[in-house]
Amino acid sequence: GQQLNQSPQSMFIQEGEDVSMNCTSSSIFNTWLWYKQDPGEGPVLLIALYKAGELTSNGRLTAQFGITRKDSFLNISASIPSDVGIYFCAGRSYNTDKLIFGTGTRLQVFP
Amino acid sequence: EAQVTQNPRYLITVTGKKLTVTCSQNMNHEYMSWYRQDPGLGLRQIYYSMNVEVTDKGDVPEGYKVSRKEKRNFPLILESPSPNQTSLYFCASRGTIQAGTTYEQYFGPGTRLTVT
Repeated sequence: GQQLNQSPQSMFIQEGEDVSMNCTSSSIFNTWLWYKQDPGEGPVLLIALYKAGELTSNGRLTAQFGITRKDSFLNISASIPSDVGIYFCAGRSYNTDKLIFGTGTRLQVFP
Repeated sequence: EAQVTQNPRYLITVTGKKLTVTCSQNMNHEYMSWYRQDPGLGLRQIYYSMNVEVTDKGDVPEGYKVSRKEKRNFPLILESPSPNQTSLYFCASRGTIQAGTTYEQYFGPGTRLTVT
């Protein structure tokens, strides 16, 4: 099945550092979503993007919907230990509930 | 409390023995989906439903069935489970803007299935 290219696969950073991850697709999407998953839990929505070029923030998190509609990025500023987890991007096309997920970025934050 | 519930949370079964994983949401959401999550492959959509009696295949529907007879429930049925269906399964639901609920997907807690 179709998947998004998400990078990096994993990141090991020090507390206080900024983090950046991105997703690219060969298909155009009308919606880009970013989720975080903690061990043993279901994914939790962080940011939803609905317009090309849109830049949206949620606390220390900022995400952008690429102008070509084929990519998106997520930035986390001043990382803290509770940012540890797996981050997934997901894309959805117009008028469907078919959601395509990236393969995830595993984030580790060291004090 | 708004939530998506799944049962069972853990299941070990044998090849060929039919099973059903239930999913229920209390948010009056129109859309419901099933995903499986496997290491290195992320989440892959199995089936989705945009309303009662309306279901569509996702990316990996083979070996699965679903039904949507009521708005709140969306069971996942494995008629003849095989070992390659060993996975972590998530149900999700989402509403529409008009409903006034969160537009994007709420995920359930997951069901870990092992088929031997």
